[in-house]
Amino acid sequence: RKEVEQDPGPFNVPEGATVAFNCTYSNSASQSFFWYRQDCRKEPKLLMSVYSSGNEDGRFTAQLNRASQYISLLIRDSKLSDSATYLCAVNRRNYGQNFVFGPGTRLSVLP
Amino acid sequence: SAVISQKPSRDICQRGTSLTIQCQVDSQVTMMFWYRQQPGQSLTLIATANQGSEATYESGFVIDKFPISRPNLTFSTLTVSNMSPEDSSIYLCSVELWTGNVVNTEAFFGQGTRLTVV
Repeated sequence: RKEVEQDPGPFNVPEGATVAFNCTYSNSASQSFFWYRQDCRKEPKLLMSVYSSGNEDGRFTAQLNRASQYISLLIRDSKLSDSATYLCAVNRRNYGQNFVFGPGTRLSVLP
Repeated sequence: SAVISQKPSRDICQRGTSLTIQCQVDSQVTMMFWYRQQPGQSLTLIATANQGSEATYESGFVIDKFPISRPNLTFSTLTVSNMSPEDSSIYLCSVELWTGNVVNTEAFFGQGTRLTVV
């Protein structure tokens, strides 16, 4: 079992829809959590950190559930420009390796 | 955040040759990393570039194949040695920055080097 898992998708949704992604992690000692966005042929860019209390940034809401070891990303009112691959990342600071990335979930927002 | 300049942005190389990728950061950073992203895959950590000492390699990656230099806190290089077509991939430099929260750091990436080995 991979340490960080995501549904690879693709998720094809119409403009304006609400879409949610989940990401599960297996290392209970993981310290911090993130969502990255990666456009085709580009480097990953930080979308948002995921805090224990959950956090919101405009149309994006991230949640962390430590007990069940998953993080989620909710995108409301999807835009065409949201089409990308969304990677979740887990930082295992207490171990030799730091960031572990999930395989990514591909989102296509359709007109 | 940090400005991370990586070069070359892409290259096509003959098998058996080596390519050195450079990563320059606009500020001093403690942690620098090299990742590989094969087509359609997620990122895989190759190694942590340690300033003043040998890099720390992840399982499946060795120094002879991927020698790394880190002469100071703003610069690192990754060499892909004796290349084969299986090395065709995107190679990404990454830095880890403290974001104010005492336990929270974030990873930022260079633009990547798209390598094709023929």
